[in-house]
Amino acid sequence: GQQLNQSPQSMFIQEGEDVSMNCTSSSIFNTWLWYKQDPGEGPVLLIALYKAGELTSNGRLTAQFGITRKDSFLNISASIPSDVGIYFCAGQDTGNQFYFGTGTSLTVIP
Amino acid sequence: DAGVTQSPTHLIKTRGQHVTLRCSPISGHKSVSWYQQVLGQGPQFIFQYYEKEERGRGNFPDRFSARQFPNYSSELNVNALLLGDSALYLCASSWSIGGYTFGSGTRLTVV
Repeated sequence: GQQLNQSPQSMFIQEGEDVSMNCTSSSIFNTWLWYKQDPGEGPVLLIALYKAGELTSNGRLTAQFGITRKDSFLNISASIPSDVGIYFCAGQDTGNQFYFGTGTSLTVIP
Repeated sequence: DAGVTQSPTHLIKTRGQHVTLRCSPISGHKSVSWYQQVLGQGPQFIFQYYEKEERGRGNFPDRFSARQFPNYSSELNVNALLLGDSALYLCASSWSIGGYTFGSGTRLTVV
């Protein structure tokens, strides 16, 4: 199945630093979602984006729906140790199918 | 309120066997989606159901089937299990077309 190109694959950062990750697709999406997944758990929805150009924040997290509808990014400001985990982007196409990115593994060093 | 609940949490099956996984959506949610997540990869879309009708199907063989019941709960069935079917199977629900809130998944191991 199709998967979105997500980068970087992994990040090691110091506590307090900002984080940026992005996701690109060859297809147009109607919805972009960002999830965080902890080991042994299902993904937890962080931010949902529904319109091209939309910029949405959730606490220290900010995400944007790209103008071309083929990309999205997620920023985390002032990282803390509990931000550790795997972050996935997901896109919903015009056929209502969801595609997930390959994931970004985030490690925060205290 | 209960979230999306999946059962069982873990399962071990032998190649060639059949398995049924169950999902109860959040109360009021009418859409259920199923995903397969192999270790180290993102979830892969299998099926989406809304109001008991299939609304989307991913690129999985016919050995995979699903259904949604009048109470909006859902079952995922996999026949003739292969070793490669070993994965975390995730269910997600939402009030409309989508499937945004995930359960904790069923870990299936095929030996």
